[in-house]
Amino acid sequence: GENVEQHPSTLSVQEGDSAVIKCTYSDSASNYFPWYKQELGKRPQLIIDIRSNVGEKKDQRIAVTLNKTAKHFSLHITETQPEDSAVYFCAASHRGNTGFQKLVFGTGTRLLVSP
Amino acid sequence: EAGVAQSPRYKIIEKRQSVAFWCNPISGHATLYWYQQILGQGPKLLIQFQNNGVVDDSQLPKDRFSAERLKGVDSTLKIQPAKLEDSAVYLCASSSGTSIRELFFGEGSRLTVL
Repeated sequence: GENVEQHPSTLSVQEGDSAVIKCTYSDSASNYFPWYKQELGKRPQLIIDIRSNVGEKKDQRIAVTLNKTAKHFSLHITETQPEDSAVYFCAASHRGNTGFQKLVFGTGTRLLVSP
Repeated sequence: EAGVAQSPRYKIIEKRQSVAFWCNPISGHATLYWYQQILGQGPKLLIQFQNNGVVDDSQLPKDRFSAERLKGVDSTLKIQPAKLEDSAVYLCASSSGTSIRELFFGEGSRLTVL
């Protein structure tokens, strides 16, 4: 099955700095890679996603890059703000035995942005 | 549009007792997922429904966990008997269509097994 590894597990930055979170996946057939943000006690919410036919996608201060050859993808947050503090999860799609795709999540990165 | 609804939000039980969680997905969403999120870990898929049929339950501990989605709308997840290691947040999510895309999560049901 699919294995998704995520690093680092915790990341502390100063407000205004950039933050980078990296994930690797094992299934070469994976074609959808979303990132979810989960604030304390809240539900995970999608912040950005990328499909395998593009190498990079940007939405304001957030960008995701994908390297299919190396099977890794990264989340980049620029000009971090205290409200960016949360746990971030990467995920990769994986097709199960029945042919339906599902998401396999990484272990999460706790980002702390200090004022 | 209304989001994914889950209940109860919190549940505390003794080991070997049973518990049931309920989920109402976003209207019209054909795919429904139950994830288990243990503290400090990422969500792990327990079971996936397409309409009212199970399409993936490969990681569901079937000796104690069961789930159903009657009429392709609401779903219930049951644990009987519960073990200490079942303490977790149970997240329900739904998505539209049949190809993989954004999952909309509920607030989750936090289970504590004593």
